[in-house]
Amino acid sequence: EADIYQTPRYLVIGTGKKITLECSQTMGHDKMYWYQQDPGMELHLIHYSYGVNSTEKGDLSSESTVSRIRTEHFPLTLESARPSHTSQYLCASKDRDHEQYFGPGTRLTVT
Amino acid sequence: GESVGLHLPTLSVQEGDNSIINCAYSNSASDYFIWYKQESGKGPQFIIDIRSNMDKRQGQRVTVLLNKTVKHLSLQIAATQPGDSAVYFCAEPRDSWGKLQFGAGTQVVVTP
Repeated sequence: EADIYQTPRYLVIGTGKKITLECSQTMGHDKMYWYQQDPGMELHLIHYSYGVNSTEKGDLSSESTVSRIRTEHFPLTLESARPSHTSQYLCASKDRDHEQYFGPGTRLTVT
Repeated sequence: GESVGLHLPTLSVQEGDNSIINCAYSNSASDYFIWYKQESGKGPQFIIDIRSNMDKRQGQRVTVLLNKTVKHLSLQIAATQPGDSAVYFCAEPRDSWGKLQFGAGTQVVVTP
């Protein structure tokens, strides 16, 4: 089982609030990813990182930002949450093999 | 660019029957493919992968077939069980840095 953790698992928050979704992995993986997934829909890559101090935007335009100050930690921040941000956010990491290991996800609801 | 969201196709299977989930891929140069299983409320979980120089790979109750001629991938689940109810995604590499391109996914519903 992969050692990748996401907190919180569920979050209900009001419009305009700043939130940070946490993602940590203890496998020492350099590559980490954030995906957005609506219920019953595909996974969309929103951010990725190839290592410390490396962050890139993914395919799906997102108002969120990420940081990678430590190898094991890849938090995602929304400065001002809106109802359109309601979704599931999945974090993943990868080593030299081609498998990406996923966390359990954070289900975000913005009211 | 952004892709339009697609609702997942559904495969309804009777418990004990075999399931076949299909996936079309786009890049003929991909050197491996991966199948993921996502149960409700959880993150995707690796099931099995196959390298492009193989036609078939078997795991525990699962078999993946690769047809490079028509760029088609399938996942066969033998003796489907209620615990197999989930969404199944195929994925292929997008670049040498490990980014994956996920397919639309198939919802498998196992009925008693």
